[in-house]
Amino acid sequence: DTEVTQTPKHLVMGMTNKKSLKCEQHMGHRAMYWYKQKAKKPPELMFVYSYEKLSINESVPSRFSPECPNSSLLNLHLHALQPEDSALYLCASSLEDRGPSYEQYFGPGTRLTVT
Amino acid sequence: AQTVTQSQPEMSVQEAETVTLSCTYDTSESDYYLFWYKQPPSRQMILVIRQEAYKQQNATENRFSVNFQKAAKSFSLKISDSQLGDAAMYFCAYRGPLGSNYKLTFGKGTLLTVNP
Repeated sequence: DTEVTQTPKHLVMGMTNKKSLKCEQHMGHRAMYWYKQKAKKPPELMFVYSYEKLSINESVPSRFSPECPNSSLLNLHLHALQPEDSALYLCASSLEDRGPSYEQYFGPGTRLTVT
Repeated sequence: AQTVTQSQPEMSVQEAETVTLSCTYDTSESDYYLFWYKQPPSRQMILVIRQEAYKQQNATENRFSVNFQKAAKSFSLKISDSQLGDAAMYFCAYRGPLGSNYKLTFGKGTLLTVNP
């Protein structure tokens, strides 16, 4: 099973709302990633969790708050977003972030629209 | 810093024909990993094929194969017997040596259209 699931598929939120994106994998992967992708652009890395600890924050604004409650689950909490934050948010996982098992598997994404 | 260049923003191919997507990269490392990802309109990024730089043999996955030219820092993807389902955005990606920078560096992508 090489599946990464993400919910919701679509999300529309106002600039004052608080919402969360959810990502789940049951492949025993210990590294999980959040990416932001604008239309017709490559994904941009936001955060990396390794063994449930935040290992990398790519200078992401604090209105994005990641959380890794356990090894299978990754959340992205959203608060006071701006319209320019509208994008496809992709989650990915890999067995490790630095070890030999380097392949990242992506989820289907959440299409976020900020109004 | 590593860079990945896909010089073809768009490509088209007739169904059942062969198409080659180009990718070049820049790195000072001798050991690294290269990938092609496919992203159909359904949005999910799917790993198509990977190549370890230490392997001289070009990777092959069914109708997908690569031409890896390490000295030229070139990593092209060949799709044989193109199918309508191959229509997608294709991203070339680079990953550094094990234990170093874990990040995937993506090219800007090539949008492939398959004509019936």
